[in-house]
Amino acid sequence: NAGVMQNPRHLVRRRGQEARLRCSPMKGHSHVYWYRQLPEEGLKFMVYLQKENIIDESGMPKERFSAEFPKEGPSILRIQQVVRGDSAAYFCASSSSGGATDTQYFGPGTRLTVL
Amino acid sequence: EDKVVQSPLSLVVHEGDTVTLNCSYEVTNFRSLLWYKQEKKAPTFLFMLTSSGIEKKSGRLSSILDKKELFSILNITATQTGDSAVYLCAVSIIQGAQKLVFGQGTRLTINP
Repeated sequence: NAGVMQNPRHLVRRRGQEARLRCSPMKGHSHVYWYRQLPEEGLKFMVYLQKENIIDESGMPKERFSAEFPKEGPSILRIQQVVRGDSAAYFCASSSSGGATDTQYFGPGTRLTVL
Repeated sequence: EDKVVQSPLSLVVHEGDTVTLNCSYEVTNFRSLLWYKQEKKAPTFLFMLTSSGIEKKSGRLSSILDKKELFSILNITATQTGDSAVYLCAVSIIQGAQKLVFGQGTRLTINP
């Protein structure tokens, strides 16, 4: 049973370009969460999605960032016009039900570097 | 503001030592507390704790939660170099929907 898959594992962008990060949840999981980890900091919640729905995007910057989880295919975190401060590790997690005591399982992360 | 604080931030011990990692929290709508181990890749799940005073154990690792004093500890006995990692504590809250609030992590280094 494959775990949470993320790609690419490393992404380098120049300032002003767009970054697209992909996440395929564990088989049987329909709840996806995105977290950002800045250097030497803990993970910070960004957004929680179910298939075709954004449930909670309270941790996501209002501008330049968007997320989707279409009916078919992976969840996408999109960052437009990247800036140096966007450099971080972006982790995706998935769970089976989104319930209060449902465990979130994490992918290996995408390390974004903005030059 | 919901807050999770881990201590120490960094710990270096010798192989065979026992270590205790601490996690305290101040959150609204607490549901559970989770420990993860993060090496150079994905945080891997260790424990989920929901009830006070009930120890969870897996091999040399164990953890317990105190919901009255709002903290948890993670113990590792007979440490090995493979235990070197960042250990993350996270609290699951319900704020509209479920989310995890993470501490900064404790970087544990086990020297041979």
